[in-house]
Amino acid sequence: KAGVTQTPRYLIKTRGQQVTLSCSPISGHRSVSWYQQTPGQGLQFLFEYFSETQRNKGNFPGRFSGRQFSNSRSEMNVSTLELGDSALYLCASSLVTGSYEQFFGPGTRLTVL
Amino acid sequence: AQTVTQSQPEMSVQEAETVTLSCTYDTSENNYYLFWYKQPPSRQMILVIRQEAYKQQNATENRFSVNFQKAAKSFSLKISDSQLGDTAMYFCAIRDIQGAQKLVFGQGTRLTINP
Repeated sequence: KAGVTQTPRYLIKTRGQQVTLSCSPISGHRSVSWYQQTPGQGLQFLFEYFSETQRNKGNFPGRFSGRQFSNSRSEMNVSTLELGDSALYLCASSLVTGSYEQFFGPGTRLTVL
Repeated sequence: AQTVTQSQPEMSVQEAETVTLSCTYDTSENNYYLFWYKQPPSRQMILVIRQEAYKQQNATENRFSVNFQKAAKSFSLKISDSQLGDTAMYFCAIRDIQGAQKLVFGQGTRLTINP
């Protein structure tokens, strides 16, 4: 089985722009979670989607949003980018919500200039 | 709110040695999962080992084992016969058994295995 894939792998944007990141879960997995990883704040939970519904959301401003499609693929969007949004964005998938193991993708490295 | 603390930002040992990474956590839940994840340089995060809080027996996976002390809220990872490929960031994490897939991570320990 193919693993979790994330596109693009690298992105460079300027302040004020918006960005969309994509995540394709492992085939058959219906839960997709997103995390932000920075040197200062570490790994922080952004949100989880299951069956196209957001199940939980972390403590991030409304500029961060996401969605999930019927094929379980997920996108996250960040609007009005700020320098502090520079981070590695990780996507993780699991069979169902509540499943004990999440499989992580390689991440998208976002740089905001 | 759940919190996870890893008090060792960096550790370094020689190949074949045994190393223990520390993790303490705080939660108001009685049932939860604890995890150790490994993130090698420029590579994907992978699960090393998990522990269900309702199980008293410590989890083991080949060279990796945990020392789970529920009352003390401590969850350390022991790596035996360390190998060069064990060089990575190691993250301790906690998650409720019920509900969403929200992992709360510690700040990580950068482990270097020297030849």
